[in-house]
Amino acid sequence: GEDVEQSLFLSVREGDSSVINCTYTDSSSTYLYWYKQEPGAGLQLLTYIFSNMDMKQDQRLTVLLNKKDKHLSLRIADTQTGDSAIYFCAEISLPGNTPLVFGKGTRLSVIA
Amino acid sequence: EPEVTQTPSHQVTQMGQEVILRCVPISNHLYFYWYRQILGQKVEFLVSFYNNEISEKSEIFDDQFSVERPDGSNFTLKIRSTKLEDSAMYFCASSGKGGRYEQYFGPGTRLTVT
Repeated sequence: GEDVEQSLFLSVREGDSSVINCTYTDSSSTYLYWYKQEPGAGLQLLTYIFSNMDMKQDQRLTVLLNKKDKHLSLRIADTQTGDSAIYFCAEISLPGNTPLVFGKGTRLSVIA
Repeated sequence: EPEVTQTPSHQVTQMGQEVILRCVPISNHLYFYWYRQILGQKVEFLVSFYNNEISEKSEIFDDQFSVERPDGSNFTLKIRSTKLEDSAMYFCASSGKGGRYEQYFGPGTRLTVT
């Protein structure tokens, strides 16, 4: 079945860039997502990329997709303490009523 | 900005009891989902719902679980006889026809079975 893998922890200094990585196995993935979960809160959709793109930028966030290697990354520029959270990578094969498949999440700690 | 809401935020119940978790999806959305996250584990899909019927369900979603859209706004998940291993955070999500690739999640209901 589909699987999504992420490293569990990342620690960066405030002001530095963070890069969170994700690999997936499903070659039919059409959309790939990044969700953010702050302590005690739900999942916030941060950004997503369609599989025919290789990059998407949205303010401080840059998503890179290497479809050949099935590798997705999220770069957060000028990381702030408010970016401390768990970041989940997720994928979907067909939009609509097909479920998201999530990774375990990467806990980002930002050191002031 | 429209958002998915869920009630209650925390539910404590005894093993064997029935619980109903409630969700109000974003008003013009057509697809509805339940996911759960056991502490320290991945977010797992339970069930999706479209056009007043279940469209897909996972192995977790056995006969103890059911979903309903009793009116035009609510979407509920019922667990008939809770087990200890049902303790988890339950998330409701919804997506719209126009933006069906964007699933928006509620804040979750933490279910504790004792």
